[in-house]
Amino acid sequence: EPEVTQTPSHQVTQMGQEVILRCVPISNHLYFYWYRQILGQKVEFLVSFYNNEISEKSEIFDDQFSVERPDGSNFTLKIRSTKLEDSAMYFCASSGDRGLLGEKLFFGSGTQLSVL
Amino acid sequence: TQLLEQSPQFLSIQEGENLTVYCNSSSVFSSLQWYRQEPGEGPVLLVTVVTGGEVKKLKRLTFQFGDARKDSSLHITAAQPGDTGLYLCAGGFGNEKLTFGTGTRLTIIP
Repeated sequence: EPEVTQTPSHQVTQMGQEVILRCVPISNHLYFYWYRQILGQKVEFLVSFYNNEISEKSEIFDDQFSVERPDGSNFTLKIRSTKLEDSAMYFCASSGDRGLLGEKLFFGSGTQLSVL
Repeated sequence: TQLLEQSPQFLSIQEGENLTVYCNSSSVFSSLQWYRQEPGEGPVLLVTVVTGGEVKKLKRLTFQFGDARKDSSLHITAAQPGDTGLYLCAGGFGNEKLTFGTGTRLTIIP
């Protein structure tokens, strides 16, 4: 089965530093997403991205966050100045369409971000 | 804010027993998805239900979407140790902006 690949699997950073989390979605997919899961809490939606622009974002996705698809294969999440509360597992996901007819959403294995 | 509450939060049963877990909301969703998540991994989609009253079967797993599209259930028949894991429901408009539930951690005792 095709896979969404995320790198790195673990990232440790100092508070205030910038981090970039990288994702390679499934090659023919058009819709891309970032979710996060703080330890012991629910998976939370951050942002959706289609046709090279953000289509939806949550209240979590403030000005410190940005997403980019720089080269047609990678999909990145940048956190400009990390805070302690940004520590979480970040999941990238992709799908071939919006899923209204049940098209599957594929999640990557996640990047565990630890902000010290 | 849409919320999805899952119950029970934890369930531990003997191999061979049947079980049902629930996913409830006060909000209507156009579709509801069930995922299974292993430790250190991303959620893996099991099924999507889109029509009120819809029932889908996946081997020993039966998923039902409530008539009002506010709730769903997952029933497992003759549970096996391989069914152990975290089960998540997620509601949304297709794959858009999914709201995930609180999760049910299932343990099947051999």
